[in-house]
Amino acid sequence: TQTVSQSDAHVTVFEGDSVELRCNYSYGGSIYLSWYIQHHGRGLQFLLKYYSGNPVVQGVNGFEAEFSKSDSSFHLRKASVHWSDSAVYFCAVSANNNNRIFFGDGTQLVVKP
Amino acid sequence: EAAVTQSPRSKVAVTGGKVTLSCHQTNNHDYMYWYRQDTGHGLRLIHYSYVADSTEKGDIPDGYKASRPSQENFSLILELASLSQTAVYFCASSDRGTSQNTLYFGAGTRLSVL
Repeated sequence: TQTVSQSDAHVTVFEGDSVELRCNYSYGGSIYLSWYIQHHGRGLQFLLKYYSGNPVVQGVNGFEAEFSKSDSSFHLRKASVHWSDSAVYFCAVSANNNNRIFFGDGTQLVVKP
Repeated sequence: EAAVTQSPRSKVAVTGGKVTLSCHQTNNHDYMYWYRQDTGHGLRLIHYSYVADSTEKGDIPDGYKASRPSQENFSLILELASLSQTAVYFCASSDRGTSQNTLYFGAGTRLSVL
């Protein structure tokens, strides 16, 4: 069974700061890794995903994530955050051979003006 | 643009009552899912379906039934609602298994069981 761990429940930064949201997973096989964003009171929206190839993947609105097999990580980054980036961010993992996607508990990002 | 619509957006139910949550997608996707979200936690899979008239159990199916009468519609049924089923429920669709494709989520249904 795959598991996903997001070590930071809350992250607070100021507008214009860079931010990294951490995600670690456990699974020994081929997997898909994704990040989703959830604005308050809304459903989750896809940001980006990785399966193979370049370990750095680009998403919407300046987000990128880097896969590291040695660290079992898929951290999300943004160079300069905007107040509208305030939301909950979920890391997700699914195995290549099944239809189950497992979500982390999420990281609440607060961007102060 | 992909669209997943859930109804109702919120509901208050009594313990022991029957609750039906509905989901409609216009994405022409084969796969549909029901997830549950509890405050401060991630999503947990209740039921899913990859074809009309067929449903599969997810990770927490106890106390829930699902129905997929057509490709577009997927319902979640709580025959005897309990306090522990108070949560936000999300429907999602994807055009193949989640392993390869993006999930498109509805806006969620906030269910309170009293």
